[in-house]
Amino acid sequence: ETGVTQTPRHLVMGMTNKKSLKCEQHLGHNAMYWYKQSAKKPLELMFVYNFKEQTENNSVPSRFSPECPNSSHLFLHLHTLQPEDSALYLCASSQDIGTSGAYNEQFFGPGTRLTVL
Amino acid sequence: AQTVTQSQPEMSVQEAETVTLSCTYDTSESDYYLFWYKQPPSRQMILVIRQEAYKQQNATENRFSVNFQKAAKSFSLKISDSQLGDAAMYFCAYRSAWGTSYGKLTFGQGTILTVHP
Repeated sequence: ETGVTQTPRHLVMGMTNKKSLKCEQHLGHNAMYWYKQSAKKPLELMFVYNFKEQTENNSVPSRFSPECPNSSHLFLHLHTLQPEDSALYLCASSQDIGTSGAYNEQFFGPGTRLTVL
Repeated sequence: AQTVTQSQPEMSVQEAETVTLSCTYDTSESDYYLFWYKQPPSRQMILVIRQEAYKQQNATENRFSVNFQKAAKSFSLKISDSQLGDAAMYFCAYRSAWGTSYGKLTFGQGTILTVHP
């Protein structure tokens, strides 16, 4: 596997279910991100981790719980979601968040298409 | 807070022709980075081109070039000799070069580009 991978690619869940999204990066990066992409809305940054430490929580509801056990893996645990949470969830990674320059770019995974019934 | 606006929800172009996608942004910062990302139907977002605000010269990457107007806060993407593989959603993005927003990408709403054979 190369780049940033995400599993599952598609997920359908009921509002009472508990599920997890997984992201893995094979780029040797130290920063990882979760974004939410809803129809007709800009990508919304949800969480940022740098060297396994959460550095950003963009006022995300507690029904979304991130976990970063190491610099290569990022999880998003989901519970009691609402239908409006249906969206494409994108994971990204970058070298870190402290390296200056435009070349500290973010690499994105293919996303998980989540549908909440 | 910074905002990024893409005023063209959809654009179309004939194969081999040139198309320009518009992007404007609002910021009080003097140093920052701008990006264009491409998201094909497969959903993997990839970086197309980057611009550092302190550089007056417009960035170019093969058939892709930008028109960066710092005073006007405008950052348009020109695609020359359009190809069928250029069909995708294009996102303009902003990133601060320093401060508490450092490392965070702010995206526009996206422009869907259709390429006609």
